[in-house]
Amino acid sequence: DAKTTQPNSMESNEEEPVHLPCNHSTISGTDYIHWYRQLPSQGPEYVIHGLTSNVNNRMASLAIAEDRKSSTLILHRATLRDAAVYYCILRDVSTGNQFYFGTGTSLTVIP
Amino acid sequence: DTAVSQTPKYLVTQMGNDKSIKCEQNLGHDTMYWYKQDSKKFLKIMFSYNNKELIINETVPNRFSPKSPDKAHLNLHINSLELGDSAVYFCASSLLNSYEQYFGPGTRLTVT
Repeated sequence: DAKTTQPNSMESNEEEPVHLPCNHSTISGTDYIHWYRQLPSQGPEYVIHGLTSNVNNRMASLAIAEDRKSSTLILHRATLRDAAVYYCILRDVSTGNQFYFGTGTSLTVIP
Repeated sequence: DTAVSQTPKYLVTQMGNDKSIKCEQNLGHDTMYWYKQDSKKFLKIMFSYNNKELIINETVPNRFSPKSPDKAHLNLHINSLELGDSAVYFCASSLLNSYEQYFGPGTRLTVT
């Protein structure tokens, strides 16, 4: 599976937008980009996913570079509840059903 | 209603013992998983079952034996526990190939 690279940690002020980057330079054409997050002392939860086009949902937006070698998760207005570890994961469903989690980005939201 | 539940939430035991962790989902999913999160917070898949059949078995010692009595349950039995087994174990479920897996609250296993 293709690997992803994320910063270890980031900080954001409350109520400001947050842009969480992810590099995946070896992505294949059939890899979907998924984002999950893990709040403290909880299991991971799905945030968003996409293949080529930018995606929006109630939680966040996903901006995918034209060459697909990088993507950015956008939280439009960070709240204290958004403090979590954010994982960027590539998955090719045709080769398996599993997610391989990396080390993720630990997001701190400052009041 | 809890979507994915695990019992127990905490488990403290001694080396050499055998223990089980239970997982149940009420989402109607056909695929269930076990993940292990170690002390460095690295989350790694261990097993996956689809319709009670094993479909993923990562490099896990054979002391770990998952059992799926039905689609809604996936239990994890661990024999001869070792110190290195101390971790948080997460159960998850989804529809096969779905982008969204639902995780349980985790079971913190401490082996002394």
